[in-house]
Amino acid sequence: EAQVTQNPRYLITVTGKKLTVTCSQNMNHEYMSWYRQDPGLGLRQIYYSMNVEVTDKGDVPEGYKVSRKEKRNFPLILESPSPNQTSLYFCASSLDRRASDEKLFFGSGTQLSVL
Amino acid sequence: DQQVKQNSPSLSVQEGRISILNCDYTNSMFDYFLWYKKYPAEGPTFLISISSIKDKNEDGRFTVFLNKSAKHLSLHIVPSQPGDSAVYFCAASSSGNTPLVFGKGTRLSVIA
Repeated sequence: EAQVTQNPRYLITVTGKKLTVTCSQNMNHEYMSWYRQDPGLGLRQIYYSMNVEVTDKGDVPEGYKVSRKEKRNFPLILESPSPNQTSLYFCASSLDRRASDEKLFFGSGTQLSVL
Repeated sequence: DQQVKQNSPSLSVQEGRISILNCDYTNSMFDYFLWYKKYPAEGPTFLISISSIKDKNEDGRFTVFLNKSAKHLSLHIVPSQPGDSAVYFCAASSSGNTPLVFGKGTRLSVIA
C-alpha cells in the first residue's frame, strides 16, 4: 500500500531534550516536506526536500533540522525543543514538486507536546 | 502576509444541500490550486485541483470554480453528506520550485 509513515503518533517530551520524528514513504517520491498545524494558523511548511541531499527552509524553519540521506526517509529533528514547538506535525511527499500535478500525500501526523 | 485566505473558519450545512467553501489569494503568480480534506486524527488528503487555464473542474459531487480576475476560488459540494464533515484546506502554488501555500482551513459540518 502506497503511504507516508510517521513515527511516533504521539510524543510528550521536556524542554531541551533532543528528539527525532521519522518519516518514510514507499512511493519513490522525489519531493518530501514537513508541516506543522496549529489552531487558527493552518498548515505551515517547516522544511522541504526536492531530492536526496537537497533541503530548503520553508516558512517556519527555526528550531528544526532535517536530513535527506535516502530518497524514502526525511526525519525531522528538534535539537532543543521548546514549548512553542508543541504542535501537530505532518510529513508529506509527492512525485515531483516541479510537475503540474501537485498532489501531496500526507502522513497521519505526530502530536508533539513539549513541557 | 497571508497569501491564501479562507475567511470562514467554520460552516454548517444541512444534509442534501449545497456546501460552498471559499478561498481568496493575493499572489498573482499562483497558477495551480488544490483543495485538501482533513478528518480528525488523519493527515490531509487531496480532493480536487484546478489549473489557472481553467475556470471550472468537476469530480463527482465536488466542483471547484476559479475566478482569476477576483483571485477567488470556491469548492462546491452537492449534495452534502454527513461524511463530508471535515476541515477543508485551500492551497496554491506557482510554477517552479516554490512551496505549496495553504490557507488556515474551514471546518465543514454537515448536519443530518
